[in-house]
Parts: sequence; C-alpha cells; structure tokens
Amino acid sequence: EIVMTQSPATLSVSPGERATLSCRASQSVSSHLAWHQQKPGQAPRLLIYGASTRATGVPARFSGSGSGTEFTLTISSLQSEDFAIYYCQQYTNWPLTFGGGTKVEIK
Amino acid sequence: EVQLLESGGGLAQPGGSLRLSCAASGFTFENYGMTWVRLAPGKGLEWVSAITAGGGETKYADSVKGRFTISRANSRDTLYLQMNSLRAEDTAVYYCATKGSSSWYSDCWGQGTLVTVSS
Repeated sequence: EIVMTQSPATLSVSPGERATLSCRASQSVSSHLAWHQQKPGQAPRLLIYGASTRATGVPARFSGSGSGTEFTLTISSLQSEDFAIYYCQQYTNWPLTFGGGTKVEIK
Repeated sequence: EVQLLESGGGLAQPGGSLRLSCAASGFTFENYGMTWVRLAPGKGLEWVSAITAGGGETKYADSVKGRFTISRANSRDTLYLQMNSLRAEDTAVYYCATKGSSSWYSDCWGQGTLVTVSS
C-alpha cells in the first residue's frame, strides 16, 4: 500500500497570503495525484488531478506541482472560502490512498 | 449537472448489516466507474471500494474486504454498498464518487450518508 503523508497537519494563514501544502508518497505515483478540498459538513471537492490539472471551475489561485513522490498544492492568495481541509490522493496503485489532510485555518 | 445522492445510512448494531445506495443523475452512469469513500469522526478520508463501469471488476480496501460488497444497477443509475458484519470502526460518513475521465481519482462527490455502528 502506498502511504501518503501530508504536511503540515495545520497551516495558519492570513487572508490574502500564500499557502503551500505538501504531500509525499512512500513510493513513486508518477503524476497520478489529486487534491481535494473539504469544508465541515460538506462533500469533498476535486481541485487538482494529474498533479497539476485544475478541475472544472477551480479558480486559478489553486495550483499543483510535483511528480514521483513529492507534490505541492499552492493557494496563491487565500480567500475566506479557502479555509478548509485539503487531502491528497494517489491513484496509481490499488488500494487508492489519501493523505491524512492539512487543515488551513485563519491566522 | 452531475448529482449523486446517497441514502441508506443510519444506526446499526455491531455485527449487523446496512445497504447504502447512490442515485446518479446528470451524466451517463453506465460509462463511469464509481467509488465509495468514507470519513470517520476525527479521521481523514479513506477509500473503501470501487467498481468498473460495467460492474465486471471490483476492488476493496483490506479493512472491508470480505464484509462489504459493491454493486451497481446501470438500468437504474444506482450504485450500492452492502455492508455486513459491521464494526464500530465502520462508523463514518460514506460518500459515493465518480471515477475521473482519465483515471481513478475521485471526481464528482455526493453529499454523503452517515453510518453509525453502536449497541
């Protein structure tokens, strides 16, 4: 099983600032990496797939990068609606696995 | 607009059973693989099971293998998850999600249904 490790667990950021979230895979997942956003009481939402492709309707302030075992999700200028938990997901091997999540909170 | 509506959650006793349903609309259901993912209290997302578009191939997480069965009725645009031998650690919100157009990332998500396993 590929273990996905996200860091930090919690990120405190002021509105308008840049946020950088990390995700590391225990073995290479090539570019088979997705990022999801989840707000309390809501369904998750796909943000990024293929490590760097934004899903339909996702604002340009969200960007993904990386390949192999190291990945980054960057939110260029945090808006109030971006405070949420972010999960990475690998889909190169079964079982599909998620990271433990990074909570982005208001500083 | 893609819509996924889960139902069937509720309270079950340890060792009991529940069947979850996911009603799909707004897309050609029979063309898409589907997955179940759960969110336990205080935990992160956990993939549970997947099924191909035609239903011929299924996958399970080790934590549910032998206890849960995924299936689909393409004529009814509905996905199912039969959950047997339930345990307290199965308590979670269960989401259905579509497979992505190019691979098995979770693309569109339902709102979820809560399963509580407790005596």
